[in-house]
Amino acid sequence: EVQLVESGGGLVQPGGSLRLSCAASGFTFASYGMHWVRQAPGKGLEWISYITTTGSNTYYADSVKGRFTISRDNGKNSLYLQMNSLRAEDTAVFYCATNCAMCYGGFDPWGQGTLVTVSS
Amino acid sequence: DIQMTQSPSSLSASIGDRVTITCRASQSISTYLNWYQLKSGKAPKLLIYAASSLQSGVPSRFSGSGSGTDFTLTINSLQPEDFATYYCQHSYTTQFTFGPGTKVDV
Repeated sequence: EVQLVESGGGLVQPGGSLRLSCAASGFTFASYGMHWVRQAPGKGLEWISYITTTGSNTYYADSVKGRFTISRDNGKNSLYLQMNSLRAEDTAVFYCATNCAMCYGGFDPWGQGTLVTVSS
Repeated sequence: DIQMTQSPSSLSASIGDRVTITCRASQSISTYLNWYQLKSGKAPKLLIYAASSLQSGVPSRFSGSGSGTDFTLTINSLQPEDFATYYCQHSYTTQFTFGPGTKVDV
């Protein structure tokens, strides 16, 4: 069964750091680009970051550029998001998702998400 | 960056209705347009990719159309499990912008 499981969310103070992880199973992780997407409370989906199969290329939304870093370990079938200088507006459910190369770049599948709360 | 808009932002419908949601891109994105369904507490689900291709396992009452800047998601014969929020998203560049969403409720 194809599965993505996020972890690492929690409560952090403004200005703090957090590292999210996404464990992949049931497919050849190293063959797929991966994304992070978030949904703030009461808001819509926001694409955050994308990493190519080998990790050689990374892309970020302007809202997180310079603060967040996406990475992956294909040997561990894992995706990561290092989040620094966190702000209250970063409070959201964070999802990892697979770049479906056969789907014109649609995202499928997705994990269930992990909640990050930035508050003092 | 390419901006995505959707209309309406919300709509009320009944079981069996035909529902149409519109998505517009700020510049041409060919057919690099995807549609997702999001329900509270669940992972987003890819419904349509490449503007009109039905993702595997998605019921055939869902369909998509359009190219360039204007796109449509249609749900024929709305079912109880279809009450959700729907998002369009482009994959034309590596800034994968989502639309603001359309909430479909009773």
